[in-house]
Amino acid sequence: DTGVSQDPRHKITKRGQNVTFRCDPISEHNRLYWYRQTLGQGPEFLTYFQNEAQLEKSRLLSDRFSAERPKGSFSTLEIQRTEQGDSAMYLCASSWGGKGYEQYFGPGTRLTVT
Amino acid sequence: AQTVTQSQPEMSVQEAETVTLSCTYDTSENNYYLFWYKQPPSRQMILVIRQEAYKQQNATENRFSVNFQKAAKSFSLKISDSQLGDTAMYFCALPGPPGGATNKLIFGTGTLLAVQP
Repeated sequence: DTGVSQDPRHKITKRGQNVTFRCDPISEHNRLYWYRQTLGQGPEFLTYFQNEAQLEKSRLLSDRFSAERPKGSFSTLEIQRTEQGDSAMYLCASSWGGKGYEQYFGPGTRLTVT
Repeated sequence: AQTVTQSQPEMSVQEAETVTLSCTYDTSENNYYLFWYKQPPSRQMILVIRQEAYKQQNATENRFSVNFQKAAKSFSLKISDSQLGDTAMYFCALPGPPGGATNKLIFGTGTLLAVQP
């Protein structure tokens, strides 16, 4: 068990560019979550996968955001036409089960849009 | 709607002393879970302690314990014998609305704890 990994750890991009982040959850975890965290705030939920199915998307996830989890393994989060307001830490978490189960978080990808 | 409120943005404690971090929440559920997560300066969030609402007994994990007051919807975290490694942002969290398929977490705004040598 190597934990949840995310790549890249840091990304600097110019406004208008597209970016893609990857998350590798703990292998036996069927649930995967994406959160966004801005400075001084708690993480905010973006989207949730159970296996390969995307079961919920937050209203925070505009049309410019898309997430996938092919084959129920790793997940990608793509942001198209980035805006300065997209600058944040993007966290991925995975868990084995539902409400009482611990979510294991990755180290995050820090996005800076210039 | 589920809400989580942490009213202490920053706290400081001397090494070896005890500190209590506050959290209040709102939920319409009767049976739920509450969590405290720690986010050290390296930024990877880890679970500190978990409480099941139907359990009367307060959860304890080594130096960490909670004071869970269900009627008051209060869930405070006590850290005993504080260590330098406890310096971190602490988040209180509650799973999302009932009836959903998701176990998304609703987080408070966090309390930044600094342990002073």
